[in-house]
Amino acid sequence: DADVTQTPRNRITKTGKRIMLECSQTKGHDRMYWYRQDPGLGLRLIYYSFDVKDINKGEISDGYSVSRQAQAKFSLSLESAIPNQTALYFCATSDVAGVEFGTDTQYFGPGTRLTVL
Amino acid sequence: ILNVEQSPQSLHVQEGDSTNFTCSFPSSNFYALHWYRWETAKSPEALFVMTLNGDEKKKGRISATLNTKEGYSYLYIKGSQPEDSATYLCAFMGGGFKTIFGAGTRLFVKA
Repeated sequence: DADVTQTPRNRITKTGKRIMLECSQTKGHDRMYWYRQDPGLGLRLIYYSFDVKDINKGEISDGYSVSRQAQAKFSLSLESAIPNQTALYFCATSDVAGVEFGTDTQYFGPGTRLTVL
Repeated sequence: ILNVEQSPQSLHVQEGDSTNFTCSFPSSNFYALHWYRWETAKSPEALFVMTLNGDEKKKGRISATLNTKEGYSYLYIKGSQPEDSATYLCAFMGGGFKTIFGAGTRLFVKA
């Protein structure tokens, strides 16, 4: 079984709809992240969380919100989806206290392809 | 705003060619530099992490070097194979423990 899972894997929705993307992990990592990837651009950070009570905005948080329901779960919501939020969304985890201490190697989920019409 | 740049954006090589590409990053507040390999329809996977100036890492035919003073890292692939076709991402971790990804170099290896 995959260590980092995302649901749904693909979603087509309409402008104005509320959408939630879910991420779960079994790696026991404290840190979780949401990125979006657009063609020709790198992975851009939307939100990140270093533990259950910690939520931080990333580079492009406008139009998004997150919830860290438990150590293992980190959800991304689009309150009112718009077409320029069409992208590939990745969840990732990292463990600062892991083997490579302090280097924040990230482990990615399979991605969610979201299309907003 | 911290900038991480990768060049070239894409690269087409023949099977057996050796190739390399570059990641440029801020030379101040350096903490770590990562390389990830991202195959089409899959998730990015960690290749290397380097923390010290002069670090060199190797995994099979792929190796990487790090120069933190001038702010660059090279990724080398010796004797490219079609299965090396992927996007190679670098990611800079600086002060505040935030990681910034470059846009990637897309490698195509033709058999």
